[in-house]
Amino acid sequence: DVKVTQSSRYLVKRTGEKVFLECVQDMDHENMFWYRQDPGLGLRLIYFSYDVKMKEKGDIPEGYSVSREKKERFSLILESASTNQTSMYLCASSDRGRRGTEAFFGQGTRLTVV
Amino acid sequence: EDQVTQSPEALRLQEGESSSLNCSYTVSGLRGLFWYRQDPGKGPEFLFTLYSAGEEKEKERLKATLTKKESFLHITAPKPEDSATYLCAVHHNQGGKLIFGQGTELSVKP
Repeated sequence: DVKVTQSSRYLVKRTGEKVFLECVQDMDHENMFWYRQDPGLGLRLIYFSYDVKMKEKGDIPEGYSVSREKKERFSLILESASTNQTSMYLCASSDRGRRGTEAFFGQGTRLTVV
Repeated sequence: EDQVTQSPEALRLQEGESSSLNCSYTVSGLRGLFWYRQDPGKGPEFLFTLYSAGEEKEKERLKATLTKKESFLHITAPKPEDSATYLCAVHHNQGGKLIFGQGTELSVKP
């Protein structure tokens, strides 16, 4: 079974803190993604990576950065957390194929910024 | 612009009452349409991939179908444990990213 593991299920941070969300996948997938999910807005892509050290901005990259030093690990960084970054964060990975391949998600991190 | 629209936003069924969820999409060159199930507080769980118009996939009480403009998720004789949010997504040409619809929240009452 594909497994995508996020480092925390719940996180509470203070405004202005630097926050690291970690994600590890065990299926040797090339693609990795970070989404956030908010009521009424659905899943929105923050950043994605299709190879080690490669990254592409998604739809809402402002206030975030990412790091992919190893194939299996993709980190999301909130440089200076703000209350409007309170959300559910979801990491996913997928294989690179000629046709689109399904993405597998982690269990999510519920981040609250106070 | 690639877009995915799901309807209805919410659906309430009685146990055993069959129905369908709709996913309409506009995408330049479909490379895959995906259905997911999401339980509250958890990550989406992959259900089906469809690639070509006319294709169908089944799993227990769920059946997904695909046309050139939309996909349906048919739920036959649902049970309370089928209650969840069902998400539809299409594959974007750029880097394998998925574009998601807003989801349909399904509630099945006993």
